Amino acid sequence: SYVLTQPPSVSVAPGKTARITCGGNDIGTKSVHWYQQKPGQAPVVVIYYNSDRPSGIPERFSGSNSGNTATLTISRVEAGDEADYYCHVWDSSSDQVVFGGGAKLTVL
Amino acid sequence: QVQLVQSGAEVKKPGASVRVSCKASGYAFTSHYMHWGRQAPGQGLEWMGMINPNGGRPIYAQKFQGRVTVTRDTSTSTVYMEMSSLRSEDTAVYYCARGFSGYDYRDPFDYWGQGTLVTVSS
Repeated sequence: SYVLTQPPSVSVAPGKTARITCGGNDIGTKSVHWYQQKPGQAPVVVIYYNSDRPSGIPERFSGSNSGNTATLTISRVEAGDEADYYCHVWDSSSDQVVFGGGAKLTVL
Repeated sequence: QVQLVQSGAEVKKPGASVRVSCKASGYAFTSHYMHWGRQAPGQGLEWMGMINPNGGRPIYAQKFQGRVTVTRDTSTSTVYMEMSSLRSEDTAVYYCARGFSGYDYRDPFDYWGQGTLVTVSS
């Protein structure tokens, strides 16, 4: 089955740029979505179809996808960005949704 | 506005079954896929399966084949997830989530229910 690999944790100082990766075999050929989840809350999509941003999500959030790695980039990080972030793809070879293991973003 | 309202918390004994409901409102119920996932305490998201409210066979994660059944009632715009043979490892928050459309499996989940805590304990 298809596996998505995320770093368990990412730390960044306020005002700096955070990059959260999601690795998978030829993930560049798939559509990747990213969710932000804060404690006790349901996830919220922050990037969909690799790089599109839903209305209401700050422009500081961006995404890219190429080769074996998709990346969620958060510029000018704020304390309120501290959360868990999950990547999501549809694996057509097994007809399954696959989530990455999640990355906890800590703002120092 | 789009809302997905799930049923309340459940406490079940090992071996029992549980059914969680997800009532949709604010959009055309049959125009969007509905997915189910769960999150064990302190763990990540896990996809369980999906249904096309417009008809068709549900799709299940291989891990849950034979133990999970997803159904829908178009008259009440409600989707149900039933899991049997519960064990302690099934203790988790269970979520329903709407697919962006009703025709592309690759779509993101654009709205989520509030989550339902299912506790399995003897």
